[in-house]
Amino acid sequence: GAVVSQHPSRVICKSGTSVKIECRSLDFQATTMFWYRQFPKQSLMLMATSNEGSKATYEQGVEKDKFLINHASLTLSTLTVTSAHPEDSSFYICSAYGGGDLDEQFFGPGTRLTVL
Amino acid sequence: SQQGEEDPQALSIQEGENATMNCSYKTSINNLQWYRQNSGRGLVHLILIRSNEREKHSGRLRVTLDTSKKSSSLLITASRAADTASYFCATDAEDSSYKLIFGSGTRLLVRP
Repeated sequence: GAVVSQHPSRVICKSGTSVKIECRSLDFQATTMFWYRQFPKQSLMLMATSNEGSKATYEQGVEKDKFLINHASLTLSTLTVTSAHPEDSSFYICSAYGGGDLDEQFFGPGTRLTVL
Repeated sequence: SQQGEEDPQALSIQEGENATMNCSYKTSINNLQWYRQNSGRGLVHLILIRSNEREKHSGRLRVTLDTSKKSSSLLITASRAADTASYFCATDAEDSSYKLIFGSGTRLLVRP
């Protein structure tokens, strides 16, 4: 139980295009989802906290107009990287928090974004 | 911002040896967790230790927590080549008990 999926696992896009990444909790409802980015050989940096039905809360230094987050249901959150540039190339990981008996974050497998 | 630092940044040991990784953090916490990440993959939860606990075991893993020093250690005993991965500690954030702040990580290489 408590599985989180991400789609796509890898994406390559041209500079200036937008890319959408999906994060789904497959067998539980997630009241909160988190988005992280990770550069090579570095740690995970929290980008934003996403609550179902409300606006995401962004960490300091993260552009909300650049990284659009939509948490439309208790099992799905999406991250859209708008007008992507090569410096946005990174590994994006989501996690889902179930609450109650599932009192921890469950992580997705990550999405490797490469912007040419 | 990152909560804390881990040391060493990289560790190379022979199979069968023990590996010890240390994590320091800056603020008071409710709990501290250790995660493992294989290259290019997601995170695997290893163990959670609460602020009122000093030591916890899970299989070949032993975690200690010293809240007075704001530090934790992860010991992997009898290491295997399959233990090769990056290991991260994570603490709950000051403004949210279920928001995680990750340490800088230790890259462990276990040579066969």
